[in-house]
Amino acid sequence: DSGVTQTPKHLITATGQRVTLRCSPRSGDLSVYWYQQSLDQGLQFLIQYYNGEERAKGNILERFSAQQFPDLHSELNLSSLELGDSALYFCASSGGVTQYNEQFFGPGTRLTVL
Amino acid sequence: DAKTTQPPSMDCAEGRAANLPCNHSTISGNEYVYWYRQIHSQGPQYIIHGLKNNETNEMASLIITEDRKSSTLILPHATLRDTAVYYCIVRVAKGTSGSRLTFGEGTQLTVNP
Repeated sequence: DSGVTQTPKHLITATGQRVTLRCSPRSGDLSVYWYQQSLDQGLQFLIQYYNGEERAKGNILERFSAQQFPDLHSELNLSSLELGDSALYFCASSGGVTQYNEQFFGPGTRLTVL
Repeated sequence: DAKTTQPPSMDCAEGRAANLPCNHSTISGNEYVYWYRQIHSQGPQYIIHGLKNNETNEMASLIITEDRKSSTLILPHATLRDTAVYYCIVRVAKGTSGSRLTFGEGTQLTVNP
């Protein structure tokens, strides 16, 4: 158990819909990262938040957005969903940008868009 | 971040040591070598990291060559539960420029009974 929790575990929805994925980092970790893993793209970094502020952006679509709240949990919002958005979405946390930044991953949310 | 090269797959007998190689010939002086693994569709799991000295923890050992252009992850007594995709990642450990992990294809390690 990494200490990172993600909800829901599974999500099935239709094209065009909007969903929210939730992540609670390990106690004390200030950084939260989101990754997407699809069959054809592998594990890809989407976005990082540090203590409530966006810190780095990867190949995140404009239809996707994220935020980190004062209690440090994070949400990833996916809108206007397409079939190709079906993937595993992982959240990871680490202790901050000045440490060795080992990232600890949650169990993931499996999103299926029909 | 420096690019890494790993064999796509490896096999190992249960109870034997598994030695997973990684080439990172363009590694910079301030970049660390990290290893993660992913057991079928689970979240990736941090294993170990190092800069230039060999490192050992309860999970594995990391051997980095003197020129730092390659490294080997060693699982001393592989078990069936070690079957996973192993990722070697090279990145700067500290700083505010973003601490993303860039995953390559990794090595699929299969431990056989």
